Amino acid sequence: AQSVTQLGSHVSVSEGALVLLRCNYSSSVPPYLFWYVQYPNQGLQLLLKYTSAATLVKGINGFEAEFKKSETSFHLTKPSAHMSDAAEYFCAVSGLGGSQGNLIFGKGTKLSVKP
Amino acid sequence: ETGVTQTPRHLVMGMTNKKSLKCEQHLGHNAMYWYKQSAKKPLELMFVYNFKEQTENNSVPSRFSPECPNSSHLFLHLHTLQPEDSALYLCASSQDGLDPRDTQYFGPGTRLTVL
Repeated sequence: AQSVTQLGSHVSVSEGALVLLRCNYSSSVPPYLFWYVQYPNQGLQLLLKYTSAATLVKGINGFEAEFKKSETSFHLTKPSAHMSDAAEYFCAVSGLGGSQGNLIFGKGTKLSVKP
Repeated sequence: ETGVTQTPRHLVMGMTNKKSLKCEQHLGHNAMYWYKQSAKKPLELMFVYNFKEQTENNSVPSRFSPECPNSSHLFLHLHTLQPEDSALYLCASSQDGLDPRDTQYFGPGTRLTVL
């Protein structure tokens, strides 16, 4: 079955440090990939998405992700963490199986930023 | 109002009650979704409507009954729920439910507690 794996349910970084959140997918066919962010008591907001154009995708709030087919990965990075980045981050895939438009989400990674 | 709105934001109900969750999107989209978000589990897709027609029912118990009267409104009717149904219920919309590249836009969710 198609799936999305996010390594690390909780990541903690210091303010100003690199943020790296990992996402791997399992599929024989490259899917479309998304990163969403959820702040407390809010819904999900799109950070960025890969739709088979450039493999390095830039998103909002200084985040970017690189699609690596050979590694079946789509890790999210930000060079310098800010306190406001503290939230839960979800990786998702679409374009798999019969329901092409449906998203399959990972379990999420909660990011904490220490002052 | 802009984006996707959900009411109520919080709901507490007994197992014998009947209640409804409402979602409205102001984006001119054609697809609407219901998701369930529980602690320590990935987001679970429940229902998908595309152009008012239900295109996905992800083996959801019949105590959850969706209704989509038009492309802008989506309801989730609840009856005889169980305590394990307590969760955050998220509504989302997208331009085309069949396009895997489409971004889904989420509402803030309804926090449901079943006593």
